[in-house]
Amino acid sequence: ELKVEQNPLFLSMQEGKNYTIYCNYSTTSDRLYWYRQDPGKSLESLFVLLSNGAVKQEGRLMASLDTKARLSTLHITAAVHDLSATYFCAVEAAGNKLTFGGGTRVLVKP
Amino acid sequence: DAGVIQSPRHEVTEMGQEVTLRCKPISGHDYLFWYRQTMMRGLELLIYFNNNVPIDDSGMPEDRFSAKMPNASFSTLKIQPSEPRDSAVYFCASSFSPGRRNSPLHFGNGTRLTVT
Repeated sequence: ELKVEQNPLFLSMQEGKNYTIYCNYSTTSDRLYWYRQDPGKSLESLFVLLSNGAVKQEGRLMASLDTKARLSTLHITAAVHDLSATYFCAVEAAGNKLTFGGGTRVLVKP
Repeated sequence: DAGVIQSPRHEVTEMGQEVTLRCKPISGHDYLFWYRQTMMRGLELLIYFNNNVPIDDSGMPEDRFSAKMPNASFSTLKIQPSEPRDSAVYFCASSFSPGRRNSPLHFGNGTRLTVT
């Protein structure tokens, strides 16, 4: 059974500083997704990572995938308040099922 | 595109009542997923369909839960009878097939179910 673990579960950030969220998974997969969820809202797709070494960037967010280490990272550069949300990684296993990590709740303080 | 459309947005019902949640996927998507989100268990996959056919329902918690997809544009998730522990946010999501999986799952706005 595929297990997906994120850490930390909660991240209090200071504006302007850099932080990283980690996503580890237990079985082979070469498809990994990052989502953002604001309180009471739906999940919004951020990145789709499809191969080893994939790196994608959008604004202050950058995601990377190392399939050999079964690890993805979401790096936040110079955090701003608007980035406060919960971030989920999700890994696609056989049968096209997505298994989600437990989420990292991010709070950016001024 | 209107995105994945779910109804109702909120549902409050009494224990023992039947609850039906509805979903309209994005046109052209051939996969449809039902997820449940709770604080304790996070996001759990309940069931998914490919071309209207249920592929994996191993996440459906009990026989009280059932899901159907009578056509490509409509799916339902039914709970009968409902129990307080079913209280959660239920999300429907749709996507293209794996060959086009550079496209992610698109989620609806969810149905917040409260069973009293």
